[in-house]
Amino acid sequence: QKEVEQNSGPLSVPEGAIASLNCTYSDRGSQSFFWYRQYSGKSPELIMFIYSNGDKEDGRFTAQLNKASQYVSLLIRDSQPSDSATYLCAVNGGSNYKLTFGKGTLLTVNP
Amino acid sequence: ETGVTQTPRHLVMGMTNKKSLKCEQHLGHNAMYWYKQSAKKPLELMFVYSLEERVENNSVPSRFSPECPNSSHLFLHLHTLQPEDSALYLCASSQDGTGVREQYFGPGTRLTVT
Repeated sequence: QKEVEQNSGPLSVPEGAIASLNCTYSDRGSQSFFWYRQYSGKSPELIMFIYSNGDKEDGRFTAQLNKASQYVSLLIRDSQPSDSATYLCAVNGGSNYKLTFGKGTLLTVNP
Repeated sequence: ETGVTQTPRHLVMGMTNKKSLKCEQHLGHNAMYWYKQSAKKPLELMFVYSLEERVENNSVPSRFSPECPNSSHLFLHLHTLQPEDSALYLCASSQDGTGVREQYFGPGTRLTVT
């Protein structure tokens, strides 16, 4: 059973702080790793993807991948109240077409 | 968000009704997906189509019937649903169907079965 685990939260950070969201996965053959943001009542929106070990930065967002530890994280710098949402980690199953999602972490950024 | 569109956005249907959900992608992608999102559960993959061929049926009950007439359109035909089928149904598309490439979601159809 391929699994993707996330802390459900809620994770609460003050405005301007760094929010750190974590995800672990069970399938060592996984090749692609994605972070989606989902506002309440809306559909998931892709914000980052990463394929290789290390860091990938895009604006205020940094994705970090460590395949040896089967761990992927998302850092949000200078957090804003508009970042308050559920963040979904998704991992490609490696051996099939399936993208496996975690349950998501609810982030609240307090003004 | 306009890259993948879904209609209707909201649907209320009785258990004996037949209805269809429609999805259209304007991104030139070759793969399309149906997902189900229920409260407090992870997104569940239902079906995958790659180049109009179904390549994944994730143990979905036969009361859900997908149709992919071309690489831009995807339908989900619904009949004799159960109240537990009430959920947000999401369509997504990607460049290919390997699961390696990123997927883009439509706005979803909020389905309520009464």
